[in-house]
Amino acid sequence: QSVLTQPPSASGTPGQRVTISCSGSSSNIGSNTVNWYQQLPGTAPKLLIYSNNQRPSGVPDRFSGSKSGTSASLAISGLQSEDEADYYCAAWDDSLNAYVVFGGGTKLTVL
Amino acid sequence: EVQLVESGGGLVQPGGSLRLSCAASGFTFSSYEMNWVRQAPGKGLEWVSYISSSGSTIYYADSVKGRFTISRDNAKNSLYLQMNSLRAEDTAVYYCARESRDYGVDYWGQGTLVTVSS
Repeated sequence: QSVLTQPPSASGTPGQRVTISCSGSSSNIGSNTVNWYQQLPGTAPKLLIYSNNQRPSGVPDRFSGSKSGTSASLAISGLQSEDEADYYCAAWDDSLNAYVVFGGGTKLTVL
Repeated sequence: EVQLVESGGGLVQPGGSLRLSCAASGFTFSSYEMNWVRQAPGKGLEWVSYISSSGSTIYYADSVKGRFTISRDNAKNSLYLQMNSLRAEDTAVYYCARESRDYGVDYWGQGTLVTVSS
């Protein structure tokens, strides 16, 4: 049971826009910034979005992030076949039980 | 180029011990906080442990507290995870991950697989 809640799956056709949600609480998303990671099959996670909505250099502007209250979302526009991957949200947590908490991951399928 | 290379994984019996290492290069290791994050087969990511740049501040997930010990050697640009009293549920790929104040956890190693089984 992950601390942050994501839908287990999402899908879209090439060119479409898809969004992935991430729900947390006041101790994590509500008081800290959110990162998003992309994990292609068989590889390590890669930073996709940091500080809620910032893209590291090299990440296409098709990827965008937003945060409101205790929830965040990742949007992917102009969906491409190479976007098929698992996506994870993460945030620092101010509780005593964890330092960083992750969502359970969303498997994105490009139909 | 930032590189993090984990080693030390393998097959170990329940109750056994293992020490993971992470060799860092391409950045000033002593200036960055570091984490261990694991991923059980077919499952999501789980944060395991954090260590500050100097090693003075350390955190553990409840699931490993009292059994795992994180450490670092800044002179050797290396991060370690000593894992004792291993259980079947510790079976996972263990990733070494760099953290920065501006980006959070930003770079990950390729991971090393730990399998706990008799």
